[in-house]
Amino acid sequence: DAKTTQPPSMDCAEGRAANLPCNHSTISGNEYVYWYRQIHSQGPQYIIHGLKNNETNEMASLIITEDRKSSTLILPHATLRDTAVYYCIVRVAKAGANNLFFGTGTRLTVIP
Amino acid sequence: GAGVSQSPRYKVAKRGQDVALRCDPISGHVSLFWYQQALGQGPEFLTYFQNEAQLDKSGLPSDRFFAERPEGSVSTLKIQRTQQEDSAVYLCASSSRTSGSTGELFFGEGSRLTVL
Repeated sequence: DAKTTQPPSMDCAEGRAANLPCNHSTISGNEYVYWYRQIHSQGPQYIIHGLKNNETNEMASLIITEDRKSSTLILPHATLRDTAVYYCIVRVAKAGANNLFFGTGTRLTVIP
Repeated sequence: GAGVSQSPRYKVAKRGQDVALRCDPISGHVSLFWYQQALGQGPEFLTYFQNEAQLDKSGLPSDRFFAERPEGSVSTLKIQRTQQEDSAVYLCASSSRTSGSTGELFFGEGSRLTVL
């Protein structure tokens, strides 16, 4: 699976949009982009995933560039509860071996 | 229960002791994973089960680490002769046949092991 590059930390004001970038320049055509987050002392939580189209769910939006070499996770109205480490992962989507390579992620701090 | 349950949440062991960590996956989930998370790092894959079959154990760091899932439900991760470098949070995750194909894993809160 391709590796990803994320900034180690970011701050965001409460109520503002949090935009978390991820670079995955070596992504293959059959690899999806996944985002997970990990709140302190909890296990990782799935947020969203996509292949090439932009995706939105109740938690976030995922914007993938046309060349698929980078993406941005958007939390439209960040709250204090969104303070967490956010992991961008690329992998082939298939049942079976689901070894997710987490890396070190981006530590997002939402500031009151 | 509704989620993945792990026990114990905290375990302190003296170096050289054996420990066993338990994972109760979400009912009906066929896939089960163990990850190790050192302080300040992201989770790292240890091993993967599909039902009772251990299909991938490439991430187990040494032969002191052993995992089993004999009936395809509850899993136990056993660490023999613990060393200080084994201190970490051990995370269990499960996925259904469907969610596994989309990459959505459901994680437990983890078992924090401290080896003195």
